[in-house]
Amino acid sequence: KAGVTQTPRYLIKTRGQQVTLSCSPISGHRSVSWYQQTPGQGLQFLFEYFSETQRNKGNFPGRFSGRQFSNSRSEMNVSTLELGDSALYLCASSYDKLAGGKDTQYFGPGTRLTVL
Amino acid sequence: DQQVKQNSPSLSVQEGRISILNCDYTNSMFDYFLWYKKYPAEGPTFLISISSIKDKNEDGRFTVFLNKSAKHLSLHIVPSQPGDSAVYFCAALRSGAQKLVFGQGTRLTINP
Repeated sequence: KAGVTQTPRYLIKTRGQQVTLSCSPISGHRSVSWYQQTPGQGLQFLFEYFSETQRNKGNFPGRFSGRQFSNSRSEMNVSTLELGDSALYLCASSYDKLAGGKDTQYFGPGTRLTVL
Repeated sequence: DQQVKQNSPSLSVQEGRISILNCDYTNSMFDYFLWYKKYPAEGPTFLISISSIKDKNEDGRFTVFLNKSAKHLSLHIVPSQPGDSAVYFCAALRSGAQKLVFGQGTRLTINP
């Protein structure tokens, strides 16, 4: 079974630009979550999508948005990029709700975004 | 507000010895805890988990201990092997919230 894939793996943008990151979950998984990893903050939850609907949201500004398609693939968009948005963006998929160990999240390799 | 904290950014252990990674949390609503391992240029990999109704869970060389009264959990790796060198994240989950809250990570280095 193929794992979670993310494209692109590396991205360099300049301040003010926007960026779209893509995530393909494990086949059969319907939940896709996005996390931001920075050296100082660790992994922080951005949002989670299930069946094309945003089911949970973290504490990030509205510049961060996402969507999920009918095939469960998900995209994350960041508009008006700031230097502080430089981070590793990780996507994780699971079958459904994280129900106490009956399911767990499987992470992709991440997209390294650098904002200059 | 850091609800899950790993106060040791790094830990160095000799091969064959026990590695103990610690994690503290503040939210008593968390009822499930997980440990992930992360190598450079890869996403985190699930390692082991524990429900709040238990105080210990063991899987091979890995054991997680949970002390609910102290809001503290730890991961024991014994014996430690060079391949265990990685960044370890603890994470907490509140059933129904559907989001993992991660600590900042601890970089474990196993020395030969």
